Amino acid sequence: QLQLQESGPGLVKPSEALSLTCTVSGGSISSSDYYWGWIRQPPGKGLEWIGTIYYSGSAYYSPSLKSRLTISVDTSKNQFSLKLTSVTAADTAVYYCAGAAAGTDGMDVWGQGTAVTVSS
Amino acid sequence: DIQMTQSPSSLSASVGDRVTITCRASQSISSYLNWYQQKPGKAPKLLIYAASSLQSGVPSRFSGSGSGTHFTLTISSLQPEDFATYYCQQSYSTPRFTFGPGTKIDIK
Repeated sequence: QLQLQESGPGLVKPSEALSLTCTVSGGSISSSDYYWGWIRQPPGKGLEWIGTIYYSGSAYYSPSLKSRLTISVDTSKNQFSLKLTSVTAADTAVYYCAGAAAGTDGMDVWGQGTAVTVSS
Repeated sequence: DIQMTQSPSSLSASVGDRVTITCRASQSISSYLNWYQQKPGKAPKLLIYAASSLQSGVPSRFSGSGSGTHFTLTISSLQPEDFATYYCQQSYSTPRFTFGPGTKIDIK
């Protein structure tokens, strides 16, 4: 059974870069059955899709974050990662990684989420 | 970009009630619509995909319908564990997604 786990610092200073990693276990990140995404949720607010990546490395970004965002995949480590540069307090959120089933396009596997605070 | 709206933004209901939530897309998305449930402090859980297909393991009291721009999620008989926030999500523009703003169901 697929499981996802986010990791990364919980506190990032304004103007610095936020880097998170999602480790996939119980299956291969290179499986054609899934593609992978990042979603975030600011405190008390709704879900925001950040970006999607395929195991091939093809990545797609939210237009509002595209200029600051890079999503990458490391198939040798069964991981995919997010890097968001020039962060501000508006980037404070719980960040989730998720897997979307290729046949349904529903995100049916999620990490537990990791809280990131942007503050000096 | 495809925009999603939901109504109501919140509702109060009792155990046993039939509850319906509406989701609308800014353009036709065919049946590329998913529904998620989120409880406080937890990750979202996929309930319905492709507008009306029940995700494995999800109770049959949950159902989805609609196509084009208008969709509904119905809970036929609300149970205590169903008090949560529900989000719709369009997958028409896969691999780019958009979530609706959410509908919170709380106890009357």
